[in-house]
Amino acid sequence: SQQGEEDPQALSIQEGENATMNCSYKTSINNLQWYRQNSGRGLVHLILIRSNEREKHSGRLRVTLDTSKKSSSLLITASRAADTASYFCATPEGGKLIFGQGTELSVKP
Amino acid sequence: SQTIHQWPATLVQPVGSPLSLECTVEGTSNPNLYWYRQAAGRGLQLLFYSVGIGQISSEVPQNLSASRPQDRQFILSSKKLLLSDSGFYLCAWDRTGLATGELFFGEGSRLTVL
Repeated sequence: SQQGEEDPQALSIQEGENATMNCSYKTSINNLQWYRQNSGRGLVHLILIRSNEREKHSGRLRVTLDTSKKSSSLLITASRAADTASYFCATPEGGKLIFGQGTELSVKP
Repeated sequence: SQTIHQWPATLVQPVGSPLSLECTVEGTSNPNLYWYRQAAGRGLQLLFYSVGIGQISSEVPQNLSASRPQDRQFILSSKKLLLSDSGFYLCAWDRTGLATGELFFGEGSRLTVL
């Protein structure tokens, strides 16, 4: 089953710009997670936001959650070339973590 | 600290040959273990998960099987590979289960079936 859907599928920006990725999901959740994947590597957990939270920060990352719209956004501020990667949202469903298709971010120096 | 290992990292196999991918976790006990598959340019598809030794749940009917012979070992197998089995296989574990916390992923095994 597919729970999270990211938008856009691909994003290309210049270094120093902000990058915003969106995620929509279908069912009620108790948390939503964002992961990053460098090309050909495993996924790395970035941030978890609980259903009773509206916003969360971690360094240059800012995540928002709107449970009424069943959507979340990931903002990366002052992007760097090293931020180039795929970003996935993931939501729990039936006790398992279900991932979206991801947003491929390219940050050009 | 906890670590997760997957091997082999890369595998090229002919159609009809068997498969065995291994995953081990160190530094924790009773982890929940997962196998995901990622097709090129796509998201992750959950294949199997396990909450304990010998306990395997299959998410998608397919040509693959999984086993957990030891607490921290998870194996993905096939008796006869198909072309459609090609992909990037990721093993993961978590502490809390029920998707309430983060998943820790291995570095993946890239399988090409020719």
